[in-house]
Amino acid sequence: DSGVTQTPKHLITATGQRVTLRCSPRSGDLSVYWYQQSLDQGLQFLIQYYNGEERAKGNILERFSAQQFPDLHSELNLSSLELGDSALYFCASSEGWGGGEKLFFGSGTQLSVL
Amino acid sequence: GQQVMQIPQYQHVQEGEDFTTYCNSSTTLSNIQWYKQRPGGHPVFLIQLVKSGEVKKQKRLTFQFGEAKKNSSLHITATQTTDVGTYFCAGLSGSARQLTFGSGTQLTVLP
Repeated sequence: DSGVTQTPKHLITATGQRVTLRCSPRSGDLSVYWYQQSLDQGLQFLIQYYNGEERAKGNILERFSAQQFPDLHSELNLSSLELGDSALYFCASSEGWGGGEKLFFGSGTQLSVL
Repeated sequence: GQQVMQIPQYQHVQEGEDFTTYCNSSTTLSNIQWYKQRPGGHPVFLIQLVKSGEVKKQKRLTFQFGEAKKNSSLHITATQTTDVGTYFCAGLSGSARQLTFGSGTQLTVLP
């Protein structure tokens, strides 16, 4: 158990809909990262937050947004969903923000867009 | 932008054989990390390399960081069925603010 909690584990929705994925980092970790993993693909970095502030942005679509709350949990909002958004979404956390941090991954949210 | 290439994409080995995956970056890296993702699981941190030419061992796993800090490798000696999974490298270049993951090498170990 990495200590990173992601909910829900599975999400099935239709095209055009909006969903919210939730992540609680390990106790003491201030950074939260979101990654997208498509079938047989690597991990695509979406966005990073550190102590409530956006720290780095990757190839995140404009239809996607995220935030980190004062209690350090984070939410990833995906809107106007398309079939191609079906993927496994991982949240990871780390103590610092420097980019060379050891990442602890949650068990992921499997999103299926039908 | 920074690119991290990883080969091979897939590798099937007989139990007891050795396995190596290679990671190459388009830019010089300040550090490189390796993660393992078991089937149906999430990535788990294995190790971080920082110094040029660094070699680290974890039991049957040997990790190397190239002299130029642009490549790395993971070698597993005498694979076991518990080694099954996808191995990812992730590099950080000086200008980047986050790790760039390689595409991973999916290892299958045949009993």
